[in-house]
Amino acid sequence: KAGVTQTPRYLIKTRGQQVTLSCSPISGHRSVSWYQQTPGQGLQFLFEYFSETQRNKGNFPGRFSGRQFSNSRSEMNVSTLELGDSALYLCASSLGTLGQPQHFGDGTRLSIL
Amino acid sequence: AQSVTQLGSHVSVSEGALVLLRCNYSSSVPPYLFWYVQYPNQGLQLLLKYTTGATLVKGINGFEAEFKKSETSFHLTKPSAHMSDAAEYFCAVSGTGTSYGKLTFGQGTILTVHP
Repeated sequence: KAGVTQTPRYLIKTRGQQVTLSCSPISGHRSVSWYQQTPGQGLQFLFEYFSETQRNKGNFPGRFSGRQFSNSRSEMNVSTLELGDSALYLCASSLGTLGQPQHFGDGTRLSIL
Repeated sequence: AQSVTQLGSHVSVSEGALVLLRCNYSSSVPPYLFWYVQYPNQGLQLLLKYTTGATLVKGINGFEAEFKKSETSFHLTKPSAHMSDAAEYFCAVSGTGTSYGKLTFGQGTILTVHP
């Protein structure tokens, strides 16, 4: 069974630009969650989508948004990039029911110049 | 609000020695707990999970963890460390209610294994 696939693996952008990250979940998984990982703040939850609906949201500004398609693939968008947005962005998928573990992709490394 | 505390940001052991990584959680309801491992330039790999039932949970690569409700702990152990165990380890708790799609992570513990 194929794992969670994130594209691209690396991105370099400049301040003020916007970026879109993509995540393909494990087949059959309906929930996709996104996390930001930085050395200073650790792993922080961005949002979760389940059956094309945002089910949970973390404490990030509105510049961070996402969506999920009918095939459960998800995209995350960050607008008006800031230097502090440099991070590893991780996507995880699960069946989306209580107690089910999340399975992570290898992440997208975003660097802001 | 739920929280996870991992005691010790760095743990160093010799090859063949016991590995003990500590995790304490705070949750208002019975928790769902997880341990993940992260190797450099990779995502997180699930080691084991506690949902309900047996309090001693066995995972992959010889790791196991014991859920102790009275101590609100979920420490990770491995009897004999291998060089390949060197990585960063994260303890996490699942959200409650309809927030189980949200994981709250500890700060992580970097495990170093010396030959």
